[in-house]
Amino acid sequence: GNSVTQMEGPVTLSEEAFLTINCTYTATGYPSLFWYVQYPGEGLQLLLKATKADDKGSNKGFEATYRKETTSFHLEKGSVQVSDSAVYFCALSKDRGSTLGRLYFGRGTQLTVWP
Amino acid sequence: DTEVTQTPKHLVMGMTNKKSLKCEQHMGHRAMYWYKQKAKKPPELMFVYSYEKLSINESVPSRFSPECPNSSLLNLHLHALQPEDSALYLCASSQEGQGGYGYTFGSGTRLTVV
Repeated sequence: GNSVTQMEGPVTLSEEAFLTINCTYTATGYPSLFWYVQYPGEGLQLLLKATKADDKGSNKGFEATYRKETTSFHLEKGSVQVSDSAVYFCALSKDRGSTLGRLYFGRGTQLTVWP
Repeated sequence: DTEVTQTPKHLVMGMTNKKSLKCEQHMGHRAMYWYKQKAKKPPELMFVYSYEKLSINESVPSRFSPECPNSSLLNLHLHALQPEDSALYLCASSQEGQGGYGYTFGSGTRLTVV
């Protein structure tokens, strides 16, 4: 089946620290991979995405590379800010078959950044 | 317009009430979704509409009734809910069959059942 595994949180960092949130997936074929961010009291925002192996998604200083050999899509940022405090969800989707339209989420990782 | 708009933002309802949640998008997306999110959990898929037809129902209780009047609107009718149905209800849309473009989510309706 299709599934996403995220590292357990919460993650607490000081401002300007380096961030890694691990994400691995299980899927047949070639899924599309996403990172979504949810700020307190809000809906989900697409942070970045990758649709094929070796693609690198990037946005707002965040990056993630689609690694098919390790089935991973780890989120990284070189220098976090207090405003990055949020819950981050890794997710995958498939474009074909009976799972069309379904988005598979990881459990989410709470990030708190202190000044 | 690159947004999904949900109304109301907050809703408190009694267990005997009937209410509706509304979702609207003008991006030309032909797939629309309802998700339920409990605190500190990922969203759970409830319903998927594809070209205004219900294509996925994740065994959701009948007290939740979705409706897609046209390609831009999605409603969720609520009746005789239970306190455990209190959650954040998220609407999303996407291009049909093009999941690689990502899904656009609304900001949600925070529902409290008393």
